[in-house]
Amino acid sequence: GAVVSQHPSRVICKSGTSVKIECRSLDFQATTMFWYRQFPKQSLMLMATSNEGSKATYEQGVEKDKFLINHASLTLSTLTVTSAHPEDSSFYICSSTGSSYNEQFFGPGTRLTVL
Amino acid sequence: GENVEQHPSTLSVQEGDSAVIKCTYSDSASNYFPWYKQELGKRPQLIIDIRSNVGEKKDQRIAVTLNKTAKHFSLHITETQPEDSAVYFCAASIGSGGGADGLTFGKGTHLIIQP
Repeated sequence: GAVVSQHPSRVICKSGTSVKIECRSLDFQATTMFWYRQFPKQSLMLMATSNEGSKATYEQGVEKDKFLINHASLTLSTLTVTSAHPEDSSFYICSSTGSSYNEQFFGPGTRLTVL
Repeated sequence: GENVEQHPSTLSVQEGDSAVIKCTYSDSASNYFPWYKQELGKRPQLIIDIRSNVGEKKDQRIAVTLNKTAKHFSLHITETQPEDSAVYFCAASIGSGGGADGLTFGKGTHLIIQP
């Protein structure tokens, strides 16, 4: 299967700061990338879908001005959590797929803790 | 939007016995139904998936059945082993199917294999 990486794997920040998470497809061109959020002992919730070169499509209830998504190339998408607050603490997981695939490949996730 | 219900939330079975996890979905347009296994702090791993043109699919000890009329699908694990212990999520997506669309996940089932 295809390989997806995320960086950083873990981040701790102070309330009010912004945090950027990177998602990379290492061995394929990702035409579509997805961002999910998972709170402890809960399920994954789709936040947004991004296609290379286009604006991201956000799910209902997800603030696009707070969770900035950039998908500038076929191998990189970034999620920036702006003005993070303790309630934003969560496990953020990206996934991506390419034109040759019919499944999503998940990254290892980023554990965000906002103090 | 799509809503996926998953039962049970916890399932404990004796090693060697079978385990069955059931999911229902609300949107008849959904046509792709993957199952994921997630260990604590790790990324979800695709274990099997099924598309709407198929009623059943099997891969060694794992099988999935789909009833489109009733809008439910089930995961069957036979001859369970201790390494099967994990949280299992069902998911559904609408559209072209496969990996190109965002996934709606069930709430998860914590499967415990008793030695």
